[in-house]
Amino acid sequence: GQQVMQIPQYQHVQEGEDFTTYCNSSTTLSNIQWYKQRPGGHPVFLIQLVKSGEVKKQKRLTFQFGEAKKNSSLHITATQTTDVGTYFCAGGGDKIIFGKGTRLHILP
Amino acid sequence: NAGVTQTPKFQVLKTGQSMTLQCAQDMNHNSMYWYRQDPGMGLRLIYYSASEGTTDKGEVPNGYNVSRLNKREFSLRLESAAPSQTSVYFCASSAEYSGHGYTFGSGTRLTVV
Repeated sequence: GQQVMQIPQYQHVQEGEDFTTYCNSSTTLSNIQWYKQRPGGHPVFLIQLVKSGEVKKQKRLTFQFGEAKKNSSLHITATQTTDVGTYFCAGGGDKIIFGKGTRLHILP
Repeated sequence: NAGVTQTPKFQVLKTGQSMTLQCAQDMNHNSMYWYRQDPGMGLRLIYYSASEGTTDKGEVPNGYNVSRLNKREFSLRLESAAPSQTSVYFCASSAEYSGHGYTFGSGTRLTVV
């Protein structure tokens, strides 16, 4: 069945360093969504990518959708303490499948 | 605009007890979902309702039942709670079944002893 793998599982970075999380699907996706969950909170929708090779930016966050629509990445430039949390990708096809998330920890 | 409202926020049950988790959305969304989140397991879909009047099993439906009461409300029932059902439960909704971002509720933290 359709699987969405996310790496790394955990990432510790110094404040100000960049951070990237990767999402890979076993099948071609119709879209990819990204969510952020703060510690103790609920997932919050960040963005959806639909087109092959699409790149979208939200301030310090850059989202990419691969040419084959089987992978995606989220890159955060110059991390801040407010970026702490778990970032989930969710692949859309016949159904939405969530990756297990990447937990980002910022060292001050 | 409240979005997705879940009740209760916390619950402790004894093994074998039953309870219903309530969820309501005020965004006129067609699709609603119930997920459970356990450490290291991500979000696992229990049941979903693609549209009013329909419900379908997700990845982990055993031990649960759902009711799509109307377009706004989607409840999750545990008939006989087990310790393995200790988890954080999230309700979510989206405009349509696929291709639209989900809005999540704030969650119910359930402990079964």
